[in-house]
Amino acid sequence: EAGVAQSPRYKIIEKRQSVAFWCNPISGHATLYWYQQILGQGPKLLIQFQNNGVVDDSQLPKDRFSAERLKGVDSTLKIQPAKLEDSAVYLCASSLEGQLPYEQYFGPGTRLTVT
Amino acid sequence: AQKVTQAQTEISVVEKEDVTLDCVYETRDTTYYLFWYKQPPSGELVFLIRRNSFDEQNEISGRYSWNFQKSTSSFNFTITASQVVDSAVYFCALSEAGNQFYFGTGTSLTVIP
Repeated sequence: EAGVAQSPRYKIIEKRQSVAFWCNPISGHATLYWYQQILGQGPKLLIQFQNNGVVDDSQLPKDRFSAERLKGVDSTLKIQPAKLEDSAVYLCASSLEGQLPYEQYFGPGTRLTVT
Repeated sequence: AQKVTQAQTEISVVEKEDVTLDCVYETRDTTYYLFWYKQPPSGELVFLIRRNSFDEQNEISGRYSWNFQKSTSSFNFTITASQVVDSAVYFCALSEAGNQFYFGTGTSLTVIP
């Protein structure tokens, strides 16, 4: 079974530029998560999708971050414009849909450096 | 306030020693779930265990064991006879009824050969 795929793996941009990350979850997983992990910290949930719909985006900085999940499969996270403090690893995870919070399967992450 | 506290930032042990990683959580929900994840140097988080709030039985899986105590809001993780491959950052996480996930800051474990 293929795991969660993310691209690119690394990205370096200058502040005020835009960047987009892509995630392809495990086939059949209805729930998709985007996390931000700053060096030395635990992952922080940015947004959670259930199929096409947003379940929780309370910690997403909506003035500069946006995310979409078209057709309930792939997802894209965008930052526009980027700030220095956005330097982090962006993790995508997916899980089965259900009442229980099922275990999440994580992708390898995208390491973003903003200079 | 931190929902999940992992007070141990870094731990070093010599191979074959036992080690316990502490996790203290905070929630007002009666139904919640606790998780442990491992993040090896490669970076990809790996699921280890899920526990629901109604099941306080301790669990053992090979060299890994988990002690869940609601009275102290703790969900500690013990590795018996540690091995070099256990070197990683370990995260404890809490999921409340609304499916919000909260991760702790992680404990970096180094097992010295």
